[in-house]
Amino acid sequence: QKEVEQDPGPLSVPEGAIVSLNCTYSNSAFQYFMWYRQYSRKGPELLMYTYSSGNKEDGRFTAQVDKSSKYISLFIRDSQPSDSATYLCAMSAGGSYIPTFGRGTSLIVHP
Amino acid sequence: DTAVSQTPKYLVTQMGNDKSIKCEQNLGHDTMYWYKQDSKKFLKIMFSYNNKELIINETVPNRFSPKSPDKAHLNLHINSLELGDSAVYFCASTNNGREQYFGPGTRLTVT
Repeated sequence: QKEVEQDPGPLSVPEGAIVSLNCTYSNSAFQYFMWYRQYSRKGPELLMYTYSSGNKEDGRFTAQVDKSSKYISLFIRDSQPSDSATYLCAMSAGGSYIPTFGRGTSLIVHP
Repeated sequence: DTAVSQTPKYLVTQMGNDKSIKCEQNLGHDTMYWYKQDSKKFLKIMFSYNNKELIINETVPNRFSPKSPDKAHLNLHINSLELGDSAVYFCASTNNGREQYFGPGTRLTVT
């Protein structure tokens, strides 16, 4: 079992839909949870990160962590074609500078 | 101003050659990384380096070596290139391990 599991997709949704992207993990030492967005032929860019359990909201994006279930989610409200990209989850243990990445989910938002 | 830059953007070379990829960050970060992203988009950490410690992913062949002339630069040298080295290589930097800033990537093709 990989430390971080993420469905590669692709996930295809119509414009305006609510998107849910998810990762599961096995290492209970993970405390920091990050979401990166990667456009085609570009480097990943950090969208948001959360510490421990709970929700964090930033505009149309909400990150949710459930440590009891070892499950994290990224919700995108009112999705736009410009949100079409690969979304990578990443996580690390407290004090560690070495994150573990999921393999990314490809999202396609069609007009 | 570009935060993390890499050169070259594209690199095509033959098997057996030795090549280097350069990375520079102007963010004042103290930790830099090299990642390899394969054709399936899986992002794998190769090295983590700050001025005190080099952490090597033990699965990385010793043909790969990071070289850091100063805190703002981390170059990647590859000896005896093989077909399987073809991938996109990303440099990244951070001050806290969670918020990583990635470069635009170097697309390496070994023929």
